[in-house]
Amino acid sequence: ILNVEQSPQSLHVQEGDSTNFTCSFPSSNFYALHWYRWETAKSPEALFVMTLNGDEKKKGRISATLNTKEGYSYLYIKGSQPEDSATYLCAFNYGQNFVFGPGTRLSVLP
Amino acid sequence: GAGVSQSPRYKVAKRGQDVALRCDPISGHVSLFWYQQALGQGPEFLTYFQNEAQLDKSGLPSDRFFAERPEGSVSTLKIQRTQQEDSAVYLCASSLYNREDSKNIQYFGAGTRLSVL
Repeated sequence: ILNVEQSPQSLHVQEGDSTNFTCSFPSSNFYALHWYRWETAKSPEALFVMTLNGDEKKKGRISATLNTKEGYSYLYIKGSQPEDSATYLCAFNYGQNFVFGPGTRLSVLP
Repeated sequence: GAGVSQSPRYKVAKRGQDVALRCDPISGHVSLFWYQQALGQGPEFLTYFQNEAQLDKSGLPSDRFFAERPEGSVSTLKIQRTQQEDSAVYLCASSLYNREDSKNIQYFGAGTRLSVL
């Protein structure tokens, strides 16, 4: 059984704070690691697809790193804004399927 | 362009009732996935279609769950004789490529929240 873990489960930060959270996944049979942002009552939105060890991706204030050898990815948000409040999901793609983590719920307080 | 559309957004069913959940994927997308998301958990895989072929239904929790995509576009997930444990958000996702393709980015609908009373 493949297990994808995310920590912390939830996070409250003040507007302007920078934050980061972790996705842990199996280090074998790696294909790709996906990050999604899921705002309440909306569709999960793809943020990044990462395939190579050492990958770093950036979109605005959000960035992600990938370590396939040790099986983790970090998502960073710089200068958090209230509109960043969402659940952040990572998904481990081993070719045949996606296994999602339980998500990190981020609340950014104004 | 239009994204993945799911209907209804909310469904309340009495225990034992049959329900049908609809997914309209992005036009031209080959792959279609159904996921079930229970409260506090990540989405869990239910089934996968490549065009009209259901290639993987290993995640369907029981024979009360049935999915189809007869013309390779719209898909329906049917749950017969609903039980309280079926209460969850059901997400549909589509992708331009086969699921084995490394470019396989899944685009999600907003989900159907099913509550079984």
